[in-house]
Amino acid sequence: AQRVTQPEKLLSVFKGAPVELKCNYSYSGSPELFWYVQYSRQRLQLLLRHISRESIKGFTADLNKGETSFHLKKPFAQEEDSAMYYCALSGHGVTGGGNKLTFGTGTQLKVEL
Amino acid sequence: KAGVTQTPRYLIKTRGQQVTLSCSPISGHRSVSWYQQTPGQGLQFLFEYFSETQRNKGNFPGRFSGRQFSNSRSEMNVSTLELGDSALYLCASSTQTGGYNEQFFGPGTRLTVL
Repeated sequence: AQRVTQPEKLLSVFKGAPVELKCNYSYSGSPELFWYVQYSRQRLQLLLRHISRESIKGFTADLNKGETSFHLKKPFAQEEDSAMYYCALSGHGVTGGGNKLTFGTGTQLKVEL
Repeated sequence: KAGVTQTPRYLIKTRGQQVTLSCSPISGHRSVSWYQQTPGQGLQFLFEYFSETQRNKGNFPGRFSGRQFSNSRSEMNVSTLELGDSALYLCASSTQTGGYNEQFFGPGTRLTVL
């Protein structure tokens, strides 16, 4: 079974402070991990995926297989980062392919001035 | 390109009724997935369709079903509605060239069961 855990429902930080959104996963195979973000009144959208190893909007996430974690980090929070963040894992269906995301419960990030 | 569209945006039904939701994917996308989002359970995968065939399925009862048409548009149906089916139903589309491809989400259909 695959599972994604985001322990914090709400994370409140001040502008300019570092941000770390935690994500742990459980998966028997080789995982593919993602962070999705939902800004107020907008659609859910992909922020980044671990295989890309890129920084998007200043955010990075490193897959740590030993700790089964995929934490999202940003050194300096901005007001526009306030949003709901979901960690997700791509599991493979019976056919071994396809799109099937298992989401965590999400963390609401609030950046205060 | 136009994004994923879902109709209707809002629905109110009563227990025991059935409902059909529609999703139009981004042009050229052949994979359509459906998710249920509730405050208690979060986002849960329902099923995925690709080339008119169900490719993956989540852990939902048989009351939840779907289909995909030759133009990749998809519908999902929920029969014998229960109060617990009240949720935001999201549709996502993607291309499919092997492995996982980025899913683009629609705005969702808000279903309320009274």
